[in-house]
Amino acid sequence: AQSVTQPDIHITVSEGASLELRCNYSYGATPYLFWYVQSPGQGLQLLLKYFSGDTLVQGIKGFEAEFKRSQSSFNLRKPSVHWSDAAEYFCAVAGRGSQGNLIFGKGTKLSVKP
Amino acid sequence: SAVISQKPSRDICQRGTSLTIQCQVDSQVTMMFWYRQQPGQSLTLIATANQGSEATYESGFVIDKFPISRPNLTFSTLTVSNMSPEDSSIYLCSVGTGGGEKLFFGSGTQLSVL
Repeated sequence: AQSVTQPDIHITVSEGASLELRCNYSYGATPYLFWYVQSPGQGLQLLLKYFSGDTLVQGIKGFEAEFKRSQSSFNLRKPSVHWSDAAEYFCAVAGRGSQGNLIFGKGTKLSVKP
Repeated sequence: SAVISQKPSRDICQRGTSLTIQCQVDSQVTMMFWYRQQPGQSLTLIATANQGSEATYESGFVIDKFPISRPNLTFSTLTVSNMSPEDSSIYLCSVGTGGGEKLFFGSGTQLSVL
C-alpha cells in the first residue's frame, strides 16, 4: 500500500542549530515528492518538491531536501533554524499523473528553543 | 501561484446540522480538491471537485455526507451534512495548476461539532 512515514512526531532544536526531518515512503514507482509547512491557524505552504533530475532540491526559506531512491527517503534539511520555523511539517507523495491526490505523512511538529 | 480564500475559517456547530464551506480562487484553475485533517492526523483527500459534473470521491467518503459543488473554474463548496462530533476536523480546499504538479492550499476551516 502507498504510505508516507514521518518517524518523528515532535522535534525540538535550538535556534541556529541544523535541522533534519525524516520522511520515508512506500510507493510502486518513483512518485512526486513534496514537503509542506503548516503554521498554527494557517493553511499548508509548499516548501519544495521533487519530480525528476537533481536529487538535491532547494526550496523556500532556506530549506532543502534530498531524494534517495535506494532508501525511499526524502529528508528535509536546514543548516540554521530560525525561531519562525516553528511549525508542523508534512511530507507527501503523489503518483505521476495523479492529479493532486497527495498522500501525506502524519507530520512532524518542530519547536525552536531560543 | 494561486490565492485561495476559504470561508468560514472556523465554526462550532450542533450535532445533526450541516455546514457549507466555500473556496474561492483568484484565477481559473483546472483542479480543485477537498481534504480533511482530523485532530492529530494527517491530511486525507475527500474528493476532487469537477467543474460541471459530479465530484469524484475517495474511498470512505460519500456524496450524501459530503456534497460538493463546483459551478465554475474559480469556486467550489463542500457541505458537511448531518454532522456528528466525529466530523470535527480541519477541512482544506486545494487547487492544482499546470499539470497538477503544483498544489496550493487554502487556510482551512476549523470545524467543531458539539
